[in-house]
Amino acid sequence: NAGVTQTPKFQVLKTGQSMTLQCAQDMNHEYMSWYRQDPGMGLRLIHYSVGAGITDQGEVPNGYNVSRSTTEDFPLRLLSAAPSQTSVYFCASSYGWRQSSGNTIYFGEGSWLTVV
Amino acid sequence: RKEVEQDPGPFNVPEGATVAFNCTYSNSASQSFFWYRQDCRKEPKLLMSVYSSGNEDGRFTAQLNRASQYISLLIRDSKLSDSATYLCVVNAERGSTLGRLYFGRGTQLTVWP
Repeated sequence: NAGVTQTPKFQVLKTGQSMTLQCAQDMNHEYMSWYRQDPGMGLRLIHYSVGAGITDQGEVPNGYNVSRSTTEDFPLRLLSAAPSQTSVYFCASSYGWRQSSGNTIYFGEGSWLTVV
Repeated sequence: RKEVEQDPGPFNVPEGATVAFNCTYSNSASQSFFWYRQDCRKEPKLLMSVYSSGNEDGRFTAQLNRASQYISLLIRDSKLSDSATYLCVVNAERGSTLGRLYFGRGTQLTVWP
Protein backbone atom coordinates (compact mmCIF):
# COMPACT_ATOMS: atom_id res chain seq x y z
CA ASN A 1 0.00 0.00 0.00
CA ALA A 2 1.89 3.04 -1.28
CA GLY A 3 -0.44 5.70 0.21
CA VAL A 4 0.42 9.16 -1.12
CA THR A 5 3.44 9.33 -3.39
CA GLN A 6 5.14 12.59 -4.28
CA THR A 7 7.92 13.16 -6.78
CA PRO A 8 10.51 14.53 -6.98
CA LYS A 9 11.72 14.65 -3.38
CA PHE A 10 14.31 17.33 -4.10
CA GLN A 11 14.53 19.83 -6.96
CA VAL A 12 16.55 22.93 -7.75
CA LEU A 13 15.12 25.30 -10.33
CA LYS A 14 16.30 28.48 -11.93
CA THR A 15 14.09 31.54 -11.78
CA GLY A 16 11.63 31.47 -14.65
CA GLN A 17 11.71 27.71 -15.20
CA SER A 18 8.55 25.68 -15.01
CA MET A 19 8.08 22.29 -13.47
CA THR A 20 5.45 19.87 -12.22
CA LEU A 21 5.32 18.22 -8.82
CA GLN A 22 3.61 14.87 -9.12
CA CYS A 23 1.23 13.43 -6.56
CA ALA A 24 -0.54 10.10 -6.72
CA GLN A 25 -2.62 8.16 -4.22
CA ASP A 26 -3.82 4.58 -4.41
CA MET A 27 -6.52 4.77 -1.72
CA ASN A 28 -9.38 5.93 -3.99
CA HIS A 29 -9.55 9.20 -2.06
CA GLU A 30 -11.79 11.94 -3.39
CA TYR A 31 -10.13 14.84 -1.62
CA MET A 32 -6.61 15.90 -2.59
CA SER A 33 -4.72 19.04 -1.78
CA TRP A 34 -1.36 20.76 -1.99
CA TYR A 35 0.27 22.66 0.86
CA ARG A 36 3.47 24.56 1.22
CA GLN A 37 5.40 24.86 4.47
CA ASP A 38 7.85 27.65 5.14
CA PRO A 39 10.01 28.25 8.24
CA GLY A 40 7.96 29.86 11.00
CA MET A 41 4.73 29.39 9.08
CA GLY A 42 2.10 26.73 9.29
CA LEU A 43 1.11 24.66 6.31
CA ARG A 44 -0.72 26.84 3.83
CA LEU A 45 -3.19 25.49 1.30
CA ILE A 46 -2.31 26.16 -2.34
CA HIS A 47 -5.03 24.29 -4.27
CA TYR A 48 -7.40 21.48 -3.53
CA SER A 49 -9.76 19.13 -5.32
CA VAL A 50 -12.92 17.41 -4.10
CA GLY A 51 -13.02 14.97 -7.00
CA ALA A 52 -11.91 14.32 -10.56
CA GLY A 53 -12.48 17.37 -12.72
CA ILE A 54 -13.02 19.70 -9.75
CA THR A 55 -10.36 22.00 -8.36
CA ASP A 56 -10.36 25.19 -6.34
CA GLN A 57 -7.93 27.72 -4.96
CA GLY A 58 -6.62 27.74 -1.45
CA GLU A 59 -4.88 30.44 0.54
CA VAL A 60 -1.81 30.95 -1.66
CA PRO A 61 -2.66 29.90 -5.26
CA ASN A 62 -0.72 32.53 -7.22
CA GLY A 63 1.99 31.07 -9.42
CA TYR A 64 0.58 27.53 -9.30
CA ASN A 65 -1.80 25.53 -11.46
CA VAL A 66 -3.45 22.19 -10.81
CA SER A 67 -5.64 19.73 -12.65
CA ARG A 68 -7.43 16.56 -11.61
CA SER A 69 -8.10 14.39 -14.63
CA THR A 70 -8.19 11.17 -12.59
CA THR A 71 -9.03 10.30 -9.00
CA GLU A 72 -5.48 9.10 -8.40
CA ASP A 73 -3.37 12.01 -9.64
CA PHE A 74 -3.16 15.67 -8.64
CA PRO A 75 -0.10 17.37 -10.16
CA LEU A 76 1.01 20.85 -9.12
CA ARG A 77 2.56 23.05 -11.81
CA LEU A 78 4.84 25.96 -11.19
CA LEU A 79 4.42 28.17 -14.22
CA SER A 80 7.45 30.44 -13.88
CA ALA A 81 9.43 29.68 -10.75
CA ALA A 82 10.38 32.50 -8.40
CA PRO A 83 12.68 32.47 -5.34
CA SER A 84 9.58 33.10 -3.18
CA GLN A 85 8.41 29.62 -4.16
CA THR A 86 11.36 28.00 -2.40
CA SER A 87 9.58 25.81 0.10
CA VAL A 88 8.61 22.31 1.14
CA TYR A 89 5.51 21.09 -0.66
CA PHE A 90 3.17 18.45 0.71
CA CYS A 91 0.45 16.67 -1.16
CA ALA A 92 -2.37 15.26 0.94
CA SER A 93 -5.47 13.16 0.41
CA SER A 94 -8.46 11.88 2.34
CA TYR A 95 -11.45 9.69 1.66
CA GLY A 96 -14.00 12.46 1.98
CA TRP A 97 -13.78 16.16 1.32
CA ARG A 98 -15.72 17.07 4.41
CA GLN A 99 -13.23 17.03 7.24
CA SER A 100 -15.98 17.33 9.79
CA SER A 101 -16.75 13.69 9.14
CA GLY A 102 -13.46 12.92 10.79
CA ASN A 103 -11.67 11.63 7.74
CA THR A 104 -7.96 11.35 8.29
CA ILE A 105 -5.70 13.25 5.94
CA TYR A 106 -2.69 11.37 4.64
CA PHE A 107 0.36 13.34 3.55
CA GLY A 108 3.04 12.53 1.05
CA GLU A 109 6.65 12.65 2.20
CA GLY A 110 7.19 16.15 0.86
CA SER A 111 9.08 17.78 -2.00
CA TRP A 112 11.93 20.17 -1.18
CA LEU A 113 12.08 22.84 -3.87
CA THR A 114 14.76 25.51 -4.17
CA VAL A 115 14.49 28.30 -6.73
CA VAL A 116 17.72 30.16 -7.41
CA ARG B 1 -5.54 37.53 12.47
CA LYS B 2 -4.50 33.97 11.76
CA GLU B 3 -7.13 31.27 11.84
CA VAL B 4 -5.13 29.18 14.28
CA GLU B 5 -2.64 30.44 16.85
CA GLN B 6 -0.35 28.21 18.87
CA ASP B 7 2.11 28.60 21.72
CA PRO B 8 5.36 29.60 20.03
CA GLY B 9 7.55 27.22 22.05
CA PRO B 10 10.04 25.67 21.91
CA PHE B 11 9.45 23.45 24.91
CA ASN B 12 12.43 21.61 26.38
CA VAL B 13 11.47 19.13 29.08
CA PRO B 14 13.11 16.16 30.83
CA GLU B 15 11.91 12.63 30.36
CA GLY B 16 8.91 11.91 32.54
CA ALA B 17 7.67 15.49 32.57
CA THR B 18 4.14 16.59 31.79
CA VAL B 19 3.82 19.21 29.09
CA ALA B 20 0.81 21.08 27.75
CA PHE B 21 0.29 22.83 24.44
CA ASN B 22 -2.40 25.38 23.79
CA CYS B 23 -4.08 26.57 20.64
CA THR B 24 -6.78 29.12 19.85
CA TYR B 25 -8.88 29.43 16.72
CA SER B 26 -10.71 32.45 15.34
CA ASN B 27 -13.67 30.96 13.46
CA SER B 28 -16.47 30.12 15.87
CA ALA B 29 -18.12 27.96 13.18
CA SER B 30 -15.16 25.56 13.09
CA GLN B 31 -16.33 21.99 13.35
CA SER B 32 -13.34 19.67 13.51
CA PHE B 33 -10.15 19.86 15.48
CA PHE B 34 -6.99 17.81 15.35
CA TRP B 35 -3.47 17.54 16.65
CA TYR B 36 -0.84 16.44 14.15
CA ARG B 37 2.73 15.50 14.87
CA GLN B 38 5.56 16.35 12.50
CA ASP B 39 9.07 14.99 12.86
CA CYS B 40 12.03 16.88 11.44
CA ARG B 41 11.96 16.85 7.63
CA LYS B 42 8.97 14.51 7.60
CA GLU B 43 5.32 14.82 6.72
CA PRO B 44 2.67 15.62 9.35
CA LYS B 45 0.85 12.63 10.78
CA LEU B 46 -2.40 12.59 12.69
CA LEU B 47 -1.85 12.29 16.42
CA MET B 48 -5.45 12.55 17.53
CA SER B 49 -8.75 14.17 16.81
CA VAL B 50 -10.21 16.46 19.46
CA TYR B 51 -13.77 15.96 20.57
CA SER B 52 -16.03 18.26 22.57
CA SER B 53 -16.08 15.90 25.52
CA GLY B 54 -12.30 15.65 25.56
CA ASN B 55 -10.48 12.47 24.70
CA GLU B 56 -7.50 10.49 25.82
CA ASP B 57 -5.13 8.16 24.03
CA GLY B 58 -2.61 6.64 26.37
CA ARG B 59 -0.36 9.43 27.64
CA PHE B 60 -2.04 12.03 25.43
CA THR B 61 -5.14 14.01 26.40
CA ALA B 62 -6.87 16.53 24.16
CA GLN B 63 -9.43 19.08 25.31
CA LEU B 64 -11.72 21.42 23.42
CA ASN B 65 -13.40 24.52 24.83
CA ARG B 66 -15.79 25.86 22.21
CA ALA B 67 -16.87 28.85 24.29
CA SER B 68 -13.28 30.08 24.55
CA GLN B 69 -12.29 28.69 21.11
CA TYR B 70 -9.39 26.91 22.72
CA ILE B 71 -7.79 23.51 22.21
CA SER B 72 -5.15 21.85 24.34
CA LEU B 73 -2.90 18.82 24.24
CA LEU B 74 -1.44 17.31 27.38
CA ILE B 75 1.42 14.83 27.25
CA ARG B 76 2.15 12.91 30.43
CA ASP B 77 5.31 10.97 31.25
CA SER B 78 7.20 12.42 28.26
CA LYS B 79 9.44 10.10 26.28
CA LEU B 80 12.45 10.92 24.15
CA SER B 81 10.40 9.75 21.16
CA ASP B 82 7.84 12.50 21.80
CA SER B 83 10.36 15.07 20.51
CA ALA B 84 8.69 16.59 17.45
CA THR B 85 6.66 19.57 16.32
CA TYR B 86 2.98 19.47 17.27
CA LEU B 87 0.52 21.12 14.91
CA CYS B 88 -2.91 22.34 15.90
CA VAL B 89 -5.33 21.92 12.99
CA VAL B 90 -8.83 23.28 12.58
CA ASN B 91 -11.43 22.68 9.90
CA ALA B 92 -12.99 26.06 9.14
CA GLU B 93 -15.80 25.87 6.65
CA ARG B 94 -16.91 29.16 5.19
CA GLY B 95 -19.64 29.27 2.56
CA SER B 96 -18.40 27.39 -0.48
CA THR B 97 -15.02 26.74 1.09
CA LEU B 98 -15.61 23.23 2.24
CA GLY B 99 -13.20 20.90 3.94
CA ARG B 100 -10.41 23.41 4.33
CA LEU B 101 -7.95 22.74 7.09
CA TYR B 102 -6.00 25.50 8.78
CA PHE B 103 -2.73 24.67 10.45
CA GLY B 104 -1.08 26.44 13.33
CA ARG B 105 2.62 27.18 13.02
CA GLY B 106 3.46 24.34 15.32
CA THR B 107 5.10 24.02 18.71
CA GLN B 108 8.45 22.31 18.93
CA LEU B 109 8.99 19.86 21.77
CA THR B 110 12.37 18.47 22.80
CA VAL B 111 12.48 15.82 25.51
CA TRP B 112 15.93 15.34 27.02
CA PRO B 113 17.25 12.37 29.00
